[in-house]
Amino acid sequence: DTGVSQNPRHKITKRGQNVTFRCDPISEHNRLYWYRQTLGQGPEFLTYFQNEAQLEKSRLLSDRFSAERPKGSFSTLEIQRTEQGDSAMYLCASSSTIGAIYGYTFGSGTRLTVV
Amino acid sequence: DQQVKQNSPSLSVQEGRISILNCDYTNSMFDYFLWYKKYPAEGPTFLISISSIKDKNEDGRFTVFLNKSAKHLSLHIVPSQPGDSAVYFCAASDYSGAGSYQLTFGKGTKLSVIP
Repeated sequence: DTGVSQNPRHKITKRGQNVTFRCDPISEHNRLYWYRQTLGQGPEFLTYFQNEAQLEKSRLLSDRFSAERPKGSFSTLEIQRTEQGDSAMYLCASSSTIGAIYGYTFGSGTRLTVV
Repeated sequence: DQQVKQNSPSLSVQEGRISILNCDYTNSMFDYFLWYKKYPAEGPTFLISISSIKDKNEDGRFTVFLNKSAKHLSLHIVPSQPGDSAVYFCAASDYSGAGSYQLTFGKGTKLSVIP
């Protein structure tokens, strides 16, 4: 297992366009998280999946954001009608039920630039 | 309002000396605290954690101290090595009840270990 994989690594898009990011968690991990990190800040929680069920969403996740995890495996995060304020690093993390509190495994992130 | 604060954006230490990174929190419901290390272009990597029922946890060169009454924790690295140069994030967790160990991060402290 190569850890948590995120694609693409970088995405440049024009304001108003839709973008989709993909996260492939560690295969035996049933918990999956999305975080967003802007310049000079720490990561901020966006949403949480346990298997295929989206159980928590942050108020940061506006109506333009949607996340899915079909079949409880990979996950996608889509941003519709992107705005310049969406420019950030989007981080995916996964963990198992046992040891869930001992820290997740993060991917390397997708850096989004909205121009 | 920032619930987890790292007031030192940067810290420089000579190789072989002790590095002390500090973190303060405001939410008394936090029950687990973690430190993550982040290199450029990579996701955060779990380093060490501590439960709120303990006041110290040690792992090799890394020790985390928790002072609940002061709502303060610190990470000690002894001896510091050039490979320790990275951004260190303090994070705190409170169990949401939905099964999510959502993390709240500080802004990070950039540690530079000078050879």
